[in-house]
Amino acid sequence: EVQLVESGGGLVQPGRSLKLSCAASGFTFSNYYMAWVRQAPKKGLEWVATISTSGSRTYYPDSVKGRFTISRDNAKSSLYLQMNSLKSEDTATYYCAPHRTHPGWFAYWGQGTLVTVSS
Amino acid sequence: DVQMTQSPSYLAASPGESVFISCKASKSISNYLAWYQQKPGEANKLLIYSGSTLQSGTPSRFSGSGSGTDFTLTIRNLEPEDFAVYYCQQYYEKPLTFGSGTKLEIK
Repeated sequence: EVQLVESGGGLVQPGRSLKLSCAASGFTFSNYYMAWVRQAPKKGLEWVATISTSGSRTYYPDSVKGRFTISRDNAKSSLYLQMNSLKSEDTATYYCAPHRTHPGWFAYWGQGTLVTVSS
Repeated sequence: DVQMTQSPSYLAASPGESVFISCKASKSISNYLAWYQQKPGEANKLLIYSGSTLQSGTPSRFSGSGSGTDFTLTIRNLEPEDFAVYYCQQYYEKPLTFGSGTKLEIK
C-alpha cells in the first residue's frame, strides 16, 4: 500500500523559512518523479514543484521559483521542500505526490501538512 | 500557461442521477487530462487519466471523454460516496495546471 506522510507544517511569520518533509513507502521511490502540490484554504489545487528521479532536475512555477527548493533522499525514500521568504499567499495545505513522468498525472497523494504564514 | 476552466462550480444532484462536469483548456492539450476526487479527511484520488482511461479501482459509473480543449467527466447512477469535489488537471505542458473544482452536493 502506498503511503505518503507529510510533516513540518505550522505557523510561520512572513519572510521566514520552513522545511517540509514527506516520507514515502509502498512503492519504489527512486523510480518516480516527486512533486509538491498545494491548496490554499477554500481554494483549488496548485502545482508547486517537481524533482526528477535522481534529483538532478527540478521544476517550479513562477509563483515560487527562487524561493522554494525541492530535494529528495532516495536512500531514505524522503522528499523535502525548503520554503524561504514566505508570504501570506503561501498559506496552504501542502501535499506530496509521485508521478511517473513530468509533466504527468498524480496517482497517489498524501494527506497534506498545513502551512500558515501570518504575523 | 494553460488555463483550465471547470463548470459548474457547484452541482446538486440526487443519488441515482447522472451528472456531467465540464473542463475546458485554453489551448489544445490533446488527451493529456486527469480527473481527481477530493473528500474531507481523505487523500485525493486519481479517477481518470489520458482523458478517458479509468485508474485501477475507479468504479465503472465514472467515465471521461473529450480531447483537444473540451473534456467531460460523467458520473452515472450517483452513489452516496460520490458527493465530493472534482478537479481536472492538464499535463500537456509545464506548468501543470488544475481546474478550479466542482463541488457535487446532495440535493
